[in-house]
Amino acid sequence: DSGVTQTPKHLITATGQRVTLRCSPRSGDLSVYWYQQSLDQGLQFLIQYYNGEERAKGNILERFSAQQFPDLHSELNLSSLELGDSALYFCASSVGYPNEQFFGPGTRLTVL
Amino acid sequence: KNEVEQSPQNLTAQEEEFITINCSYSVGISALHWLQQHPGGGIVSLFMLSSGKKKHGRLIATINIQEKHSSLHITASHPRDSAVYICAASKSDYGQNFVFGPGTRLSVLP
Repeated sequence: DSGVTQTPKHLITATGQRVTLRCSPRSGDLSVYWYQQSLDQGLQFLIQYYNGEERAKGNILERFSAQQFPDLHSELNLSSLELGDSALYFCASSVGYPNEQFFGPGTRLTVL
Repeated sequence: KNEVEQSPQNLTAQEEEFITINCSYSVGISALHWLQQHPGGGIVSLFMLSSGKKKHGRLIATINIQEKHSSLHITASHPRDSAVYICAASKSDYGQNFVFGPGTRLSVLP
């Protein structure tokens, strides 16, 4: 158990819908990262937050947004969902950066 | 050409064999990470390297900054080492913008 929690574990929704994925980092970790893993694209970095501020941005679509709250938990919002958004979404946390990251168990999103 | 390449893509080994997985990258990095992803999907960070060599149990990771190359070695491999091993380049010191390799799928047979 990494100490990083993600909810929900599984999510099934329809195209055009909006969902919110939640991540709670390890106690004491200030940095949160979001990743997408799809079958055809592999792992992709989406975005990093550090102590509430956006720090780095990767291949995150405009339909996706994220934030980190004062209690350091983070949410990833996915809107206008498409079939291609079906993937595993991982959250990770670290004390700072660059530091070893601890990964959550992931949320499996299925868009029908 | 991908910014991070790995070889081999797939690897089957017998138990106790010495295993090497290679990673080469074409971008400037602040650190190179090795991750392990088990069949159930969970990801574990194995190493973070910015120079030299690190060892943890039967795992050894090395990096050559000049040649932009890193290797992950597994000594005395065991079936529980079967997993996908992914190298990731951290591109910036201000924030960690990661680029991932495609992964190496390792199967260790008893």
